Amino acid sequence: EAGVVQSPRYKIIEKKQPVAFWCNPISGHNTLYWYLQNLGQGPELLIRYENEEAVDDSQLPKDRFSAERLKGVDSTLKIQPAELGDSAVYLCASTNGQGDEQFFGPGTRLTVL
Amino acid sequence: DQQVKQNSPSLSVQEGRISILNCDYTNSMFDYFLWYKKYPAEGPTFLISISSIKDKNEDGRFTVFLNKSAKHLSLHIVPSQPGDSAVYFCAASFGQGGSEKLVFGKGTKLTVNP
Repeated sequence: EAGVVQSPRYKIIEKKQPVAFWCNPISGHNTLYWYLQNLGQGPELLIRYENEEAVDDSQLPKDRFSAERLKGVDSTLKIQPAELGDSAVYLCASTNGQGDEQFFGPGTRLTVL
Repeated sequence: DQQVKQNSPSLSVQEGRISILNCDYTNSMFDYFLWYKKYPAEGPTFLISISSIKDKNEDGRFTVFLNKSAKHLSLHIVPSQPGDSAVYFCAASFGQGGSEKLVFGKGTKLTVNP
């Protein structure tokens, strides 16, 4: 069974440019998460989806960050415009929502110059 | 304000010996605790978990102990193997099970020397 797929794996952009990350969760997983991991820190939740509904986006900086999961399967996280401080690893995770653990993708490492 | 703390950034042990990784938390409302393991350039991988109604959970070489009164949990790896070398994250959630929002510690880098 395929795991959580994320693309791209690495992205380098100039500040003020837009960037988007894509995530395809494990098949059948209704719950999808986006996490931000800064260097030397643990992952921090940005947004959580139950199917296509964002049930927790309290930590998402909505002035520049947006996310969507239109058909309740794959998801896109966007930053516009990117700032230097956005350089980090963006992790996607999914679970079946039945109390089981979250499965993480390999992440997208973003560098903003 | 960090709710989940891993105060040791790194730990080095000899192969075959016991590795003990520690984690403290401040919020007594946490109901479920997990340990994740992370290799470089990979996402975290679930290792073991424990509910707040238990004080011990064991899975092969891995055992997690929970001391609710002290708000402390630990992960024991016995015997340690070189392949266990990774960053270990402690995480906590407010619900029962790993589907709820997870609050992670900063991680402890374990090195197991042959």
